[in-house]
Amino acid sequence: GNSVTQMEGPVTLSEEAFLTINCTYTATGYPSLFWYVQYPGEGLQLLLKATKADDKGSNKGFEATYRKETTSFHLEKGSVQVSDSAVYFCALRLFDQAGTALIFGKGTTLSVSS
Amino acid sequence: DVKVTQSSRYLVKRTGEKVFLECVQDMDHENMFWYRQDPGLGLRLIYFSYDVKMKEKGDIPEGYSVSREKKERFSLILESASTNQTSMYLCASRVTGEDYGYTFGSGTRLTVV
Repeated sequence: GNSVTQMEGPVTLSEEAFLTINCTYTATGYPSLFWYVQYPGEGLQLLLKATKADDKGSNKGFEATYRKETTSFHLEKGSVQVSDSAVYFCALRLFDQAGTALIFGKGTTLSVSS
Repeated sequence: DVKVTQSSRYLVKRTGEKVFLECVQDMDHENMFWYRQDPGLGLRLIYFSYDVKMKEKGDIPEGYSVSREKKERFSLILESASTNQTSMYLCASRVTGEDYGYTFGSGTRLTVV
């Protein structure tokens, strides 16, 4: 079936460290891929997206590249801040049709200390 | 900005009660979704709706029902609450054909005692 697998957390980093959160997917067809972030006590916010192979999504210093050959969409940031501490979810959507739902990974908790 | 508003942030209910979780969006989105979020399980889809009075089961619909009488409102109903329905419930909405992702509400943390 269609699914998203994320690296398990928690990920604990010091401020200004490099971040990678791995995400791989299994899907029939060519999905759109998303990263969402959930700050403590809040709902999910779209962080970035990519809709086709080799697209790079970027926002707030975060980047992810849609790699069809490795079915991956790894999230990276060159220098994390304490304010990046949150739960990060990788997700896919199969079709741009009415009612199509996002399929989420289990989430990766990031904790950044100063 | 699109707003998705969930009526309660925290809710405590007793086993066997009928529980209504309300979600309202203000941008005329056709598609609305209910997920539950549990530690180690991520987000799981309960129900979704792509039009008024239309509803489809997600991955874990058992013990839940939904209502969409108006386009802007999507209600999740726990017919007889049980302790295993203690969870964070997240509502989301989306416009078909626009690739802006989904807009989520802030969530309702439901505790069933």
